Amino acid sequence: EAAVTQSPRNKVTVTGGNVTLSCRQTNSHNYMYWYRQDTGHGLRLIHYSYGAGNLQIGDVPDGYKATRTTQEDFFLLLELASPSQTSLYFCASSPTGGARGTQYFGPGTRLLVL
Amino acid sequence: GDSVTQTEGQVTVSESKSLIINCTYSATSIGYPNLFWYVRYPGEGLQLLLKVITAGQKGSSRGFEATYNKEATSFHLQKASVQESDSAVYYCALSDRVNTGNYKYVFGAGTRLKVIA
Repeated sequence: EAAVTQSPRNKVTVTGGNVTLSCRQTNSHNYMYWYRQDTGHGLRLIHYSYGAGNLQIGDVPDGYKATRTTQEDFFLLLELASPSQTSLYFCASSPTGGARGTQYFGPGTRLLVL
Repeated sequence: GDSVTQTEGQVTVSESKSLIINCTYSATSIGYPNLFWYVRYPGEGLQLLLKVITAGQKGSSRGFEATYNKEATSFHLQKASVQESDSAVYYCALSDRVNTGNYKYVFGAGTRLKVIA
């Protein structure tokens, strides 16, 4: 069973603050993803990666940076947090990026920007 | 672009009663998308409940089932008799080819199921 962990689980920051969300997967999956979910919306893809050092832009990348430092670790950076980034963030991994691939999700990080 | 619509934000069902959670989709690729249901229990991440990759087929898991209806572009989730332990948020999703070798996942907004005794 693929294991994906996220930290912190909850975070409060102020407008303009600097936030890093961490994700680690322990099943050697190539693909990793960052999503955000807001009430009334489906999960929206922020950034994704298909290997260490690789970064691909998702559908809602503005205001976010990401880095994939190793096969296991994928970070999401908010360098100047804004209230519009208050959301529930999910990290996911999958063995391939193909259409039939199952995604394995972490438990989520709830971020509040005051 | 592709989209997935779940019309109900929350559904409340009495234990042992039947359930249907609606999902319709729109896909832009020439072929047919793959369809998924994910479930999120409190405090946990989303996990795959079932998937169907062939139009006209039915997927099933843990008493839940969903049929890939390409004519109606629907993938409704059903269960004949729900239990309190089924209380969770259910997400419909599709994956579709965007170009050669690249695929994209699209999720619905989720439907919160509350099962009451």
